[in-house]
Amino acid sequence: QVQLHESGPGLVKPSGTLSLTCAISGDSITDSFWWTWVRQTPGEGLQWIGEIHRSGTTNYNPSLRSRVTFSLDTSKSHFSLKLTSVTAADTAIYYCARRGHAHCGGDCMSIDSWGQGILVTVSS
Amino acid sequence: DIQMTQSPSSLSASIGDRVTITCRASQEIVNYLAWFQQKPGNAPRSLIYAATSKQSGVPSRFRGSKSGAEYTLTITSLQPEDFATYYCQQYKSHPFTFGPGTKVDI
Repeated sequence: QVQLHESGPGLVKPSGTLSLTCAISGDSITDSFWWTWVRQTPGEGLQWIGEIHRSGTTNYNPSLRSRVTFSLDTSKSHFSLKLTSVTAADTAIYYCARRGHAHCGGDCMSIDSWGQGILVTVSS
Repeated sequence: DIQMTQSPSSLSASIGDRVTITCRASQEIVNYLAWFQQKPGNAPRSLIYAATSKQSGVPSRFRGSKSGAEYTLTITSLQPEDFATYYCQQYKSHPFTFGPGTKVDI
């Protein structure tokens, strides 16, 4: 069973860059899955940030596209998020997740696994 | 973006009750609908995908259904561990979007 674990600084200064990594264990990075970032704030609820596929294809939330970059290191089994020019509004719990299905596509391709989440606070 | 709405926003229930939560999308999502459960301090847990299919390990009392444009999560007999917030999410069209959540408490 896949396990996901987020890591990175818990505090980032305003205008700085938020960088997080999600370690994947218990499974390999295959074409069946998209590797996803979601964040959660008390005011905005759950927000889908985007996803990256093994092929390198990415899908970003348009509201964050100008500031966000994903990368995927298949040899090290992890994927990463960089969010630039952060403000207090980016303070949130950030989750990594896996979306997909080993045996079917289409509407089977929902999030099936989540990391435990990491709180990132933007403050000076 | 596809807007997701949920009703009710919260409900109070007792052990053994049948609980129903509804989710609607602002556009057609053709069953690309998932349900998640989240307990305080924990990450979400995936319950349902493709509107009606259960993720591995999800108890049989959780049931997803669709009627017209309305998607429903039903807990047939509420258990103590089911008190949580439930979210729906559409994954038909980018950006994928979540509902605002339904809090189920005692």
